[in-house]
Amino acid sequence: DAKTTQPPSMDCAEGRAANLPCNHSTISGNEYVYWYRQIHSQGPQYIIHGLKNNETNEMASLIITEDRKSSTLILPHATLRDTAVYYCIVRVATRNSGNTPLVFGKGTRLSVIA
Amino acid sequence: GAVVSQHPSRVICKSGTSVKIECRSLDFQATTMFWYRQFPKQSLMLMATSNEGSKATYEQGVEKDKFLINHASLTLSTLTVTSAHPEDSSFYICSARDYMGGRMNTEAFFGQGTRLTVV
Repeated sequence: DAKTTQPPSMDCAEGRAANLPCNHSTISGNEYVYWYRQIHSQGPQYIIHGLKNNETNEMASLIITEDRKSSTLILPHATLRDTAVYYCIVRVATRNSGNTPLVFGKGTRLSVIA
Repeated sequence: GAVVSQHPSRVICKSGTSVKIECRSLDFQATTMFWYRQFPKQSLMLMATSNEGSKATYEQGVEKDKFLINHASLTLSTLTVTSAHPEDSSFYICSARDYMGGRMNTEAFFGQGTRLTVV
């Protein structure tokens, strides 16, 4: 799976949009971009994933550049409960991908400030 | 989304004793589950892959005789930390994917984690 690079930490004011970047310049054509987050002392939580089109769900939006070498996770109205470590993971999606684990990097520690 | 339940959420044990951690997929079947360990201020590190009905696959550096994994059913995997020592104190997390044969790009679901403290 391709390697990802994320800033180690970011701050965001409560109520503002949080934009978390991720570089994955070695991504290949069959690799998806996944985002998870981990709130302190909890297991990771799935947020969103995409291949090349922008995606949106009730939690966040995922913007993937046209060359797919980078992406941005957007939390439109950050709250204090969004304070967490956010992980960007790139992985191949195959029929056997259910049998392969997620590999976590260091992620971005997002602090939402009142 | 699918639910993975992990128990206990917190355990304190004496050095030299063994501790069992359970990981259950509550509303789906998981032929494969994964066990991670996380030390303070570090990322999750994969320990082993648990396969239903067969032996687990351990990552390099993880002692299979110390971290016993049993995956006896499609909804339960257990991790037993044997002869625990203070350096085994960590946050242990299990994961499973609601994997239906032939589906691709499915997301993984994680248990809430188990905080093990060995004193």
